[in-house]
Amino acid sequence: DTGVSQNPRHKITKRGQNVTFRCDPISEHNRLYWYRQTLGQGPEFLTYFQNEAQLEKSRLLSDRFSAERPKGSFSTLEIQRTEQGDSAMYLCASSLGALGRMPYEQYFGPGTRLTVT
Amino acid sequence: AQTVTQSQPEMSVQEAETVTLSCTYDTSESDYYLFWYKQPPSRQMILVIRQEAYKQQNATENRFSVNFQKAAKSFSLKISDSQLGDAAMYFCAYRSQNRGYGGSQGNLIFGKGTKLSVKP
Repeated sequence: DTGVSQNPRHKITKRGQNVTFRCDPISEHNRLYWYRQTLGQGPEFLTYFQNEAQLEKSRLLSDRFSAERPKGSFSTLEIQRTEQGDSAMYLCASSLGALGRMPYEQYFGPGTRLTVT
Repeated sequence: AQTVTQSQPEMSVQEAETVTLSCTYDTSESDYYLFWYKQPPSRQMILVIRQEAYKQQNATENRFSVNFQKAAKSFSLKISDSQLGDAAMYFCAYRSQNRGYGGSQGNLIFGKGTKLSVKP
């Protein structure tokens, strides 16, 4: 399977703990996105990478959140001092860079469901 | 800022019938893209169909078609000959035209979704 993969699929943690999620994009994709989806809502954009450079961050990404994409391959999203409000599905998507007008499709991973108790 | 509104939290359709899901959006941009994504239960989101705002012709993908009304900022999805496998959450999404470095980099803005049930 050469789709986007995310690990772990589920994470339960206690409030105040740190957690880290991993996303492995489709190998030739140079763009990588992180979204957060809470119950009953659509995904909300968190941050975006082009290769290894983090080019855009949403205001939703507080200073407790940090994302990296070393060497432009996999990406990690870390949440420090988790809060109950961080409970959500964290989705990763990847795409090729757009050439000309047409944006390439974003392919989504299965997500990591975080529960903060 | 752009917003996407899906006013139907849930919809139901009989197998083999046709259903239309509604989506409206707000933007001051003239060039953008619109998408419908499908999220089956416990499975990952997949793209159903997309529409370029500069194209007047409505997009079609097999049983899925859209009714794009740019002036009204409306973008509905029609599913014909509904199948049991169509049951899922459907999300309407907006994307700005890629402005390259420093501009909007293509993140999607989603609506809250419509849960579609298909009755056998």
